[in-house]
Formats: sequence, C-alpha cells, structure tokens
Amino acid sequence: NAGVTQTPKFQVLKTGQSMTLQCAQDMNHEYMSWYRQDPGMGLRLIHYSVGAGITDQGEVPNGYNVSRSTTEDFPLRLLSAAPSQTSVYFCASSSDSGSTYNEQFFGPGTRLTVL
Amino acid sequence: AQSVTQLGSHVSVSEGALVLLRCNYSSSVPPYLFWYVQYPKQVRQLLLKYTSAATLGIGINGFEAEFKKSETSFHLSKPSAHMSDAAEYFCAVALWGNEKLTFGTGTRLTIIP
Repeated sequence: NAGVTQTPKFQVLKTGQSMTLQCAQDMNHEYMSWYRQDPGMGLRLIHYSVGAGITDQGEVPNGYNVSRSTTEDFPLRLLSAAPSQTSVYFCASSSDSGSTYNEQFFGPGTRLTVL
Repeated sequence: AQSVTQLGSHVSVSEGALVLLRCNYSSSVPPYLFWYVQYPKQVRQLLLKYTSAATLGIGINGFEAEFKKSETSFHLSKPSAHMSDAAEYFCAVALWGNEKLTFGTGTRLTIIP
C-alpha cells in the first residue's frame, strides 16, 4: 500500500490564484481530513469527510473547498489564494467513519507559499 | 472544547538517559489521548493511543504514557533513550462523537551521543 499520498510537495502561488491540493489513499478508509500546520501552532482541521459524498467543515474552513466523489480521493481547493494561507497542509485518513479517535494515517504534506 | 499543551518545544537527552515529554490537556469529559511521532523524512504516525480506564498506555519502541486524571496530564516516557528516538512528538486529544482531533504544537527530541 502507498498509504496517503499528497501532490504537489511544494507550491508557490500568487495572491488571487486558485489551485487544488490532491490527496489520495489506497486503504479504503472512510474518514479523510485536511489540516494545516503553522509555526507555533498545532494542526488545525480545515475540512473532513466521513465518506464519499459527505463533507463537513472543521476549525478553519474559510477560503477552502472540498469534495469527496470517491472513497480514495479528497482534494482541497483554494479558490483565491491569500498570503494567510501560506502553510503546510496535511491530509489524513482513518478506517472508521466519524472516528478521529482511531488511528490517523497522515500524508507527507504540501508546503504552500502564497506571495 | 478541548486543548493540548506540550511543555518544551525542544528537548535534548543523552543516549541511555530517561526521556520525558510533557503533555497537559483540558477537556470537559474524559478524552481519548494519543501520541504521534514524526521521524526525519517520514510521515507522522501513531506512537500510542490511550482509551481505557487503566492509567498506562503502551506504545511502540519502548515508549509509554501515563494518564493522570487529577493532573490532566499524559506525559510520554522511555527509560533509556536511543539515537533512533530522535524525532518530533505530538500529543493529541479527541472526544467521543466529536470530529476534531486536537494536536499540541510538538516537541522535537534530540539525542546526544
């Protein structure tokens, strides 16, 4: 199994540009989530999904959209990038729907810089 | 709401010495508690998980974490540090039925030869 994969690893955007961060998992996990990590802060939950077709907002959803058309993929879209979205983004998955208290499997992260 | 505080963003210990990484949490109800670890050039992974009425959680690579309800603490320890323990360690808390896993800011552990 490849586990959780994320692309790209690095990205530089200009303010106002849009882009999609890709996340995929091959473990047939129902639960997937997106976090951002900023210096001096713990991971903050952006959006999560408990299964295909079901998404919900986390702690810091503004400026981000998600969709979940398949069990495997959970892309994160930045509609109009802002410098405040400069961060490292992590995708994670878990085996049970609605189970943040089960083991989370993390991707390697995407480092995004918005100029 | 829950929160997690990790004391010390950087900890250095000598090889063979005790490792103690501190974590305190706040929660209105008994939480699920976790330690995650990120070794260099690897992804973050689960080190141990505590969900039972017992006070000790046993993890991989000789680590354990003691739950002290009265102190709202979940400190991670290992009796004898090994060079391979050098990593960043994250404490996390979740509440049953709440879709939020709250992470601490992490402690980077350095092992001195």
